[in-house]
Amino acid sequence: NAGVTQTPKFQVLKTGQSMTLQCAQDMNHNSMYWYRQDPGMGLRLIYYSASEGTTDKGEVPNGYNVSRLNKREFSLRLESAAPSQTSVYFCASSDRAFNTEAFFGQGTRLTVV
Amino acid sequence: AQTVTQSQPEMSVQEAETVTLSCTYDTSESDYYLFWYKQPPSRQMILVIRQEAYKQQNATENRFSVNFQKAAKSFSLKISDSQLGDAAMYFCAYRNSNTGNQFYFGTGTSLTVIP
Repeated sequence: NAGVTQTPKFQVLKTGQSMTLQCAQDMNHNSMYWYRQDPGMGLRLIYYSASEGTTDKGEVPNGYNVSRLNKREFSLRLESAAPSQTSVYFCASSDRAFNTEAFFGQGTRLTVV
Repeated sequence: AQTVTQSQPEMSVQEAETVTLSCTYDTSESDYYLFWYKQPPSRQMILVIRQEAYKQQNATENRFSVNFQKAAKSFSLKISDSQLGDAAMYFCAYRNSNTGNQFYFGTGTSLTVIP
């Protein structure tokens, strides 16, 4: 039962570097999400994809881009990392029906120095 | 916009005792779902319990139960017979059909269980 697989688990970047966080789900879910978690701020939505081929901005999209590569995969790209992007990032997926829960990956701890 | 508020950043409970975590939300919708998630130190997000707004009966899952007050827009989580493994961050979340696929999360409550 892989569920939602997120890579890498840890990453240190220098300011200005770029990187892509990968996420894949094997539950045939239509919807996928990227959140960031910061102390005292809970989970804030960066981008989401309601279905293959669509992406929408969430609450904190600045500095990020996403790609819904296919139904399984949803990647998050930081083009030019900044210290303010130091955070724990979670990918999640869910079925389209609103009575279903979100399933989460194990998170990526990203530090930008 | 939907908002979910958890007003208790930290809570503690003695082992075997009962603790209640608070959550309030703001919505104009009549049909929606509410969720409680647990995040232990491993960082993994685990669904604890869910509640449909149209159901008057409060959801229960073993030692976990909710007190859902729709008119007050309140959705608290009660943990009975607390165990050391209950120590975690707990997040309340909201989802409805009109917001499409978005989940709205509270800021979390960190629960400490004292042996």
